[in-house]
Amino acid sequence: NAGVTQTPKFRILKIGQSMTLQCTQDMNHNYMYWYRQDPGMGLKLIYYSVGAGITDKGEVPNGYNVSRSTTEDFPLRLELAAPSQTSVYFCASSYLQFTYYGYTFGSGTRLTVV
Amino acid sequence: AQSVAQPEDQVNVAEGNPLTVKCTYSVSGNPYLFWYVQYPNRGLQFLLKYITGDNLVKGSYGFEAEFNKSQTSFHLKKPSALVSDSALYFCAVRDMEYGNKLVFGAGTILRVKS
Repeated sequence: NAGVTQTPKFRILKIGQSMTLQCTQDMNHNYMYWYRQDPGMGLKLIYYSVGAGITDKGEVPNGYNVSRSTTEDFPLRLELAAPSQTSVYFCASSYLQFTYYGYTFGSGTRLTVV
Repeated sequence: AQSVAQPEDQVNVAEGNPLTVKCTYSVSGNPYLFWYVQYPNRGLQFLLKYITGDNLVKGSYGFEAEFNKSQTSFHLKKPSALVSDSALYFCAVRDMEYGNKLVFGAGTILRVKS
């Protein structure tokens, strides 16, 4: 039972480069989320999805894009990487009735933009 | 908007002593509150939640939390700390915007010394 799997675990990007952070869950969860974690700032929501084909912006979406073509996958795309995007990125998923189960988090992707 | 505050950046406690990690919340309506723990280079793990019912909630690894409506607090507690409890702890509250996202506090580092 893998849960939420994120790849890669670490990545260094140069300013202006692009990359895709992968997220896959095998729990048939409806809802999926992308958060970024900055020191002393908690976690901020970037994008979320309530089901395949449906995505929407969170609190800090600028510089990112997402897609949700299947229930399992929710990749996060960074275009034109900037130093401000240096962060740890977490993908999470939940059932529709998440209040009873909370979120399941992936182990994170640590991204450095230089 | 819903929010939580964790007033302490770090809590230090000796092994075997009781520990408390503080959290206060600000919500409209009834709060759905959560505690998560993050070990180094790992994702967040669910500890416990308060939705309704008893004010004392029991969770994983011997942790419990006390919901206090009059003080708008949801402090995390453990009667006897272990060195292995050393980690980063996050309090969170559900926000019905953004697909029932969780709003996280900034986190509190717990250090348990032997």
